[in-house]
Amino acid sequence: QQQVKQSPQSLIVQKGGISIINCAYENTAFDYFPWYQQFPGKGPALLIAIRPDVSEKKEGRFTISFNKSAKQFSLHIMDSQPGDSATYFCAASSRGNSGYALNFGKGTSLLVTP
Amino acid sequence: DAGITQSPRHKVTETGTPVTLRCHQTENHRYMYWYRQDPGHGLRLIHYSYGVKDTDKGEVSDGYSVSRSKTEDFLLTLESATSSQTSVYFCAISEEGSGKETQYFGPGTRLLVL
Repeated sequence: QQQVKQSPQSLIVQKGGISIINCAYENTAFDYFPWYQQFPGKGPALLIAIRPDVSEKKEGRFTISFNKSAKQFSLHIMDSQPGDSATYFCAASSRGNSGYALNFGKGTSLLVTP
Repeated sequence: DAGITQSPRHKVTETGTPVTLRCHQTENHRYMYWYRQDPGHGLRLIHYSYGVKDTDKGEVSDGYSVSRSKTEDFLLTLESATSSQTSVYFCAISEEGSGKETQYFGPGTRLLVL
């Protein structure tokens, strides 16, 4: 039972274009939504994260848009570069007494062509 | 990789043998997690720990056990390895307090069960 649904599975964008990856969730208890970037043979690395009290967060070329009522959030990569080619995972977690285990989407493989 | 090492990095084993993977952190973080990553599934939580000798099950815990006798070490044991446990295993850590939700991942262990 995938708690976070991610789309598309793969994405090809030209250099300089905008990459958009979408995620949706059902559990309204989720209150932390990070995005991770993973290169082949490496562990996931935190890219950017948002909480539901804001609708948008921007860090450099990366922006998270959050729609609480629709239970959706998305990652926008502006001016996409070949070095951004990687797999991106959205995730969600909720506060609890025993840790903040992440529920991941299945991932999006992004290829930025020169 | 945020002061996290995993050992071994690669392992080939045979069905029915026990296997232990080690995660070691130098950050003194309270929380530690084991995830497995499989194509088409993203990352799924196996077990997590919220302190020395305090552990709990995750989404896909069957066939796995964990132990944490020291803050810095979190061991994952496959009691009798099966081919379905062929995967890449990632350890993650997060700290106490406001940074609880932010997880940092190790480099991973690639396990092949023949």
